[in-house]
Amino acid sequence: EPEVTQTPSHQVTQMGQEVILRCVPISNHLYFYWYRQILGQKVEFLVSFYNNEISEKSEIFDDQFSVERPDGSNFTLKIRSTKLEDSAMYFCASSGQGGGYTFGSGTRLTVV
Amino acid sequence: ELKVEQNPLFLSMQEGKNYTIYCNYSTTSDRLYWYRQDPGKSLESLFVLLSNGAVKQEGRLMASLDTKARLSTLHITAAVHDLSATYFCAALMDSNYQLIWGAGTKLIIKP
Repeated sequence: EPEVTQTPSHQVTQMGQEVILRCVPISNHLYFYWYRQILGQKVEFLVSFYNNEISEKSEIFDDQFSVERPDGSNFTLKIRSTKLEDSAMYFCASSGQGGGYTFGSGTRLTVV
Repeated sequence: ELKVEQNPLFLSMQEGKNYTIYCNYSTTSDRLYWYRQDPGKSLESLFVLLSNGAVKQEGRLMASLDTKARLSTLHITAAVHDLSATYFCAALMDSNYQLIWGAGTKLIIKP
């Protein structure tokens, strides 16, 4: 069964540093997403990406965040100048035309 | 705006008992998802419910969807300790395929 692959599985970074979280969505999916889950809390939508541009973004997704699909297969989330409160599990997901979702296994980001 | 409410948020029960988790959503949605999450782990897809009256079962878990009532339920039959986890429901927004999540139900099953 096709999978969404995320790397790394765990990233520790110092406050103020930039991180890039990587995702390889399912190849024939058209929509790509990043979600975030702070420890013990609910899953929150960050951004959706379609046709090589952002289609929706939440209030959380401010200028600190950016997404890119640099090579037609990878889908990346960049967080500039990380803050302690950015520590969370970040999930990538992709979906086809009908909205069927597949989530990656997540990247646990720890900002120290 | 689509909102999803789950209840209860916390449930402690004995093995062998039955219980139901409820998921209400506020506006029309094409799909309702149930996920399981173990502490510190990823989201495990349990069920996708597509239409009114849909019922799906896997082992001791059964999910149903009533689109008219905007209600989905996750029923646990004869609970066992291995089912201890947090269970999330999520509804798909028709307009942009964004998932709106419930707050999760933390289920603890005591031997």
